Amino acid sequence: SQELEQSPQSLIVQEGKNLTINCTSSKTLYGLYWYKQKYGEGLIFLMMLQKGGEEKSHEKITAKLDEKKQQSSLHITASQPSHAGIYLCGALPFYNQGGKLIFGQGTELSVKP
Amino acid sequence: DTEVTQTPKHLVMGMTNKKSLKCEQHMGHRAMYWYKQKAKKPPELMFVYSYEKLSINESVPSRFSPECPNSSLLNLHLHALQPEDSALYLCASSQERAVGVLSHGYTFGSGTRLTVV
Repeated sequence: SQELEQSPQSLIVQEGKNLTINCTSSKTLYGLYWYKQKYGEGLIFLMMLQKGGEEKSHEKITAKLDEKKQQSSLHITASQPSHAGIYLCGALPFYNQGGKLIFGQGTELSVKP
Repeated sequence: DTEVTQTPKHLVMGMTNKKSLKCEQHMGHRAMYWYKQKAKKPPELMFVYSYEKLSINESVPSRFSPECPNSSLLNLHLHALQPEDSALYLCASSQERAVGVLSHGYTFGSGTRLTVV
């Protein structure tokens, strides 16, 4: 079965600093999704990557998928308190068991003012 | 309307109670999902409905009974739950069951925080 490993598990940064979260898959990724979750709330879709080498940006968040399609990174530039939350990477297994989106363990981000 | 609405937001129930969680979307999505999330853990898939038919049951105990009355509604009926079933229950929807890659991902509701006492 496919597994996603995120690092770090938690991160505390000073406001204004840059940070990177990584997501590594045990198998080739056929679609990698990044979500953000506030504690006890639903998941907010950030972006999806599909092609090797692909990079997407939204406001101050940039996500990349490596050429081999087994690792993705999420980079936040000039972090703000509003960026705080849990970041989850998700993927559809290569055999695509009809909608079974699997998730990494999550990275908890705290931003100190 | 680009939302998935879940009710109630919070639910406390006894082990002998029967309750239901509700989920509604009006985006024309034809696939709907129930996920369970324990504290500090990622969401875990429970059920997938595609075109109002159950397509995936992840070996969920029978005390959880899903129902999809129409393409916009998804219910989760609860009966004789255990304290370890306390969790955040998330509903999600997508344009259709993912054959290939969904460019817009899943749309999640804000969840129902369930406590079993």
